[in-house]
Amino acid sequence: GAVVSQHPSRVICKSGTSVKIECRSLDFQATTMFWYRQFPKQSLMLMATSNEGSKATYEQGVEKDKFLINHASLTLSTLTVTSAHPEDSSFYICSLKGAGDTEAFFGQGTRLTVV
Amino acid sequence: GQNIDQPTEMTATEGAIVQINCTYQTSGFNGLFWYQQHAGEAPTFLSYNVLDGLEEKGRFSSFLSRSKGYSYLLLKELQMKDSASYLCAVRDGDYKLSFGAGTTVTVRA
Repeated sequence: GAVVSQHPSRVICKSGTSVKIECRSLDFQATTMFWYRQFPKQSLMLMATSNEGSKATYEQGVEKDKFLINHASLTLSTLTVTSAHPEDSSFYICSLKGAGDTEAFFGQGTRLTVV
Repeated sequence: GQNIDQPTEMTATEGAIVQINCTYQTSGFNGLFWYQQHAGEAPTFLSYNVLDGLEEKGRFSSFLSRSKGYSYLLLKELQMKDSASYLCAVRDGDYKLSFGAGTTVTVRA
């Protein structure tokens, strides 16, 4: 099955700085990846759909200029949280659709803490 | 959009059976997933239903009724390690997943 590698697993940054999170598909080429955010004791909320070679599609209420997504290759999507603030502290998870259409594969997640 | 409801918490005894219900209202349906998530970790896949009926996988089973917008996850022979959050998720035609808020299951000795 597909394996998704997400890096880093934890990051602490200062308010106002930017943080880049990488999501790699290790087993197959992924034209579409998804980015989710999860606040403590809440469920996962879809932020955006990352499309290889084209612009990402953002969900309502998600600022595209703040959460920059780049999907330059079939195996890598990146999410950059720009000018991070403490309220951006959250668990960010990427996923991609399984080749068999029967499940979505998730990365390990990135715990972002903005101080 | 999707509206997905599941209970917030459930408690059961080790060795017992617990059933987690999930109801949904969707603008498009392309499968229903159940995931297990331990605190601070990413979700792990448990089951997938796209047709009506019961799917059994060892101690875990999942049921779907598309006409009723209803699914349940059945956990049998509960073990302490089953204490976790269980997420019901519905996939739409664009392969986007919408998640319920999750059900926290606590297994007591």
